[in-house]
Amino acid sequence: AQSVTQLDSQVPVFEEAPVELRCNYSSSVSVYLFWYVQYPNQGLQLLLKYLSGSTLVKGINGFEAEFNKSQTSFHLRKPSVHISDTAEYFCAVSEITGKLIFGQGTTLQVKP
Amino acid sequence: GAVVSQHPSWVICKSGTSVKIECRSLDFQATTMFWYRQFPKQSLMLMATSNEGSKATYEQGVEKDKFLINHASLTLSTLTVTSAHPEDSSFYICSARSPNTDTQYFGPGTRLTVL
Repeated sequence: AQSVTQLDSQVPVFEEAPVELRCNYSSSVSVYLFWYVQYPNQGLQLLLKYLSGSTLVKGINGFEAEFNKSQTSFHLRKPSVHISDTAEYFCAVSEITGKLIFGQGTTLQVKP
Repeated sequence: GAVVSQHPSWVICKSGTSVKIECRSLDFQATTMFWYRQFPKQSLMLMATSNEGSKATYEQGVEKDKFLINHASLTLSTLTVTSAHPEDSSFYICSARSPNTDTQYFGPGTRLTVL
């Protein structure tokens, strides 16, 4: 069975500082990996995804993530965060069927 | 592109009544849609997979007679919460899978409050 672990439930960071949100997954088959962001009382917005090809994936709002097969990780990074990046971030894995398995979520709190 | 809408965005109903939530893919056809439930400060829990023209596939522990799903067209899926009770109060989110990109796009969610 697949699973996703987001190692940090909350990540406080000052504005303009870099940030990394960690995600590890377990799966016995090839997977697709995703990061979604959720603002309060809203649905999820796709930040970026890894389906195949280059292991460094660039997404919207200046975020990027690197797929590391040997470490089964897909950590999300941004070199300089803004107050507006404060939100809940979800890592997810899916098989070819399309069913998504989500991590527990990480709350990014950007402080001025 | 890849916009998914949900209606209503919020609903308050009395215990024992039924509530229908619509999920539409606005600019693409989705043979597969998904319904999730999210409790406060928690992750999304997949309830069921909705396939156009066939019966939905429910996750373990989800009552199919209570959460009726209909996927009548390639752009519309509906979730009906039957005989709602206060414990059904939650945030319900749908997603639609784009066959061209193998990616799920999410609706804005529906806040259900059962009094």
